[in-house]
Amino acid sequence: DVKVTQSSRYLVKRTGEKVFLECVQDMDHENMFWYRQDPGLGLRLIYFSYDVKMKEKGDIPEGYSVSREKKERFSLILESASTNQTSMYLCASREQGATRNGYTFGSGTRLTVV
Amino acid sequence: GDSVTQMEGPVTLSEEAFLTINCTYTATGYPSLFWYVQYPGEGLQLLLKATKADDKGSNKGFEATYRKETTSFHLEKGSVQVSDSAVYFCALYYGGSQGNLIFGKGTKLSVKP
Repeated sequence: DVKVTQSSRYLVKRTGEKVFLECVQDMDHENMFWYRQDPGLGLRLIYFSYDVKMKEKGDIPEGYSVSREKKERFSLILESASTNQTSMYLCASREQGATRNGYTFGSGTRLTVV
Repeated sequence: GDSVTQMEGPVTLSEEAFLTINCTYTATGYPSLFWYVQYPGEGLQLLLKATKADDKGSNKGFEATYRKETTSFHLEKGSVQVSDSAVYFCALYYGGSQGNLIFGKGTKLSVKP
């Protein structure tokens, strides 16, 4: 089975800090995604990547950036963390073209910005 | 644009009760449809899927049928257990090989003994 690993389950950061959320998948998937999950809002797509060095904005990219230097790793960067970025962040991956299989998700990182 | 609407929760049921969580969608073309489940403290797991009209997805006693005429994909289970307590997300996939999933807002289910 595909495994998607997010490096931290819980993080607490201060306002203004630069924050890196890391995601690694072990099945050579081309496509990777970052979502945030908030009560009453469901999952919202922040950024996604179809392959190494590629990135596309999702629905809510403001305040975030991403990095995909290696196929297995997709990093989400908060350049200057703010309290409204307190949320659960979920990473997912998918094999290119396997549109009927859905995504495989990591366990999530719960980020609190104080 | 494409969207997914699912019933708001929370839903509270007693063990062995019948479960229905409604999900309707708006999409051009023929999307694939999914139900994901999120247990407390965990990420999302694929529960079941259907890729064309009249398909029935099933897993762990849960079922959902892709109804094109009513643009619906309601999740059902005949007898819920305490261990089914989780948040359930309906989702559709659009856009071909470079598309994305669109999720509903999730429905929290609590099953009491």
